[in-house]
Amino acid sequence: AQSVAQPEDQVNVAEGNPLTVKCTYSVSGNPYLFWYVQYPNRGLQFLLKYITGDNLVKGSYGFEAEFNKSQTSFHLKKPSALVSDSALYFCAVREGGYQKVTFGTGTKLQVIP
Amino acid sequence: DVKVTQSSRYLVKRTGEKVFLECVQDMDHENMFWYRQDPGLGLRLIYFSYDVKMKEKGDIPEGYSVSREKKERFSLILESASTNQTSMYLCASSLLGTDTQYFGPGTRLTVL
Repeated sequence: AQSVAQPEDQVNVAEGNPLTVKCTYSVSGNPYLFWYVQYPNRGLQFLLKYITGDNLVKGSYGFEAEFNKSQTSFHLKKPSALVSDSALYFCAVREGGYQKVTFGTGTKLQVIP
Repeated sequence: DVKVTQSSRYLVKRTGEKVFLECVQDMDHENMFWYRQDPGLGLRLIYFSYDVKMKEKGDIPEGYSVSREKKERFSLILESASTNQTSMYLCASSLLGTDTQYFGPGTRLTVL
């Protein structure tokens, strides 16, 4: 069975500082990994995905994520946080050969001015 | 731009009522999904469909059914609403062979 864990319910970071939102996954086969963001009172939006290839994936709004197979992690990062990045972030995984995507519980990012 | 619309943003129903949540996408996507979002539990997949009249159970299908009579429309049905079905319901769609899901704005359902 596939699963994903987001160990932090909330992450606080000062504006201008780098941010990291953590995600670890568990699959039997090859993982397909995703990050989505939900801004207040809006639907989820796709940020980025890892399918294969380069372990560092770049996405929308200056975000990037690093795939680490040995640590089974896919942490979301941004070099310099903006107040407008404050939102709920979801990590998701799909195991190769399966159609279902499993989402994590979400991490609330609060960027403090 | 892909647009996924849901019939209501807010809905209040009584226990035992039959509830229909409608979702429409305008980009000819084959795949459509229904999730519920609850604090601390994230998104949980209820049902998904990869073609007209096709459906697959997700992780929490109990108490729900779905209908997909047309490619652009995917309906979620609560046969007899219960208070534990109070939640935010999110619909999504994706193109066959791709993983990027496009979400609707959600329907916040309250069952009294």
